[in-house]
Amino acid sequence: NAGVTQTPKFQVLKTGQSMTLQCAQDMNHNSMYWYRQDPGMGLRLIYYSASEGTTDKGEVPNGYNVSRLNKREFSLRLESAAPSQTSVYFCASKTAGEQYFGPGTRLTVT
Amino acid sequence: QKEVEQDPGPLSVPEGAIVSLNCTYSNSAFQYFMWYRQYSRKGPELLMYTYSSGNKEDGRFTAQVDKSSKYISLFIRDSQPSDSATYLCAMSEGTSYDKVIFGPGTSLSVIP
Repeated sequence: NAGVTQTPKFQVLKTGQSMTLQCAQDMNHNSMYWYRQDPGMGLRLIYYSASEGTTDKGEVPNGYNVSRLNKREFSLRLESAAPSQTSVYFCASKTAGEQYFGPGTRLTVT
Repeated sequence: QKEVEQDPGPLSVPEGAIVSLNCTYSNSAFQYFMWYRQYSRKGPELLMYTYSSGNKEDGRFTAQVDKSSKYISLFIRDSQPSDSATYLCAMSEGTSYDKVIFGPGTSLSVIP
């Protein structure tokens, strides 16, 4: 039982490049989430998905797109990376009162 | 006013001390209350969650919720250097699809 997994663990991009962050969960949860965490800013919600086939914007969605591929997988795409998107990205899944996080992707945009 | 308030610290205590971490909130619809521990450069780890008011104990950790005061606490007994981390409170209304609201986290150092 792996819980929530994320790939890659680290990534360096140049401004304007694109990439997709992958997330998968094996807990059969309906809801999945993408957060970014920056020093002094706490966890901020980018997008979330209440169930397969639905996605909704969170607090900071600009510059990102998401895909809920199936119940297990929820990906986050940066179409044209900017230095302001340098951050640590966490995926999470949730049922009722319990939300579980992945190990994170540390992204640097130069 | 933010939905969830938490003293960011830093909090420094000697080994063996009892630690009290607290959050206040404004949304009376919150039903589930969670505490996370986050070590440096790691993902948040769910420590405990509580439904509605009351206490919950797990080893050296006790979570308390007072919905009438909109106040939650996490107590750590016999604190250890390995407890040094950032502790985040979080809460939600409890549907399977709702957003979770996080406090900013309290940085704790337990000094040997």
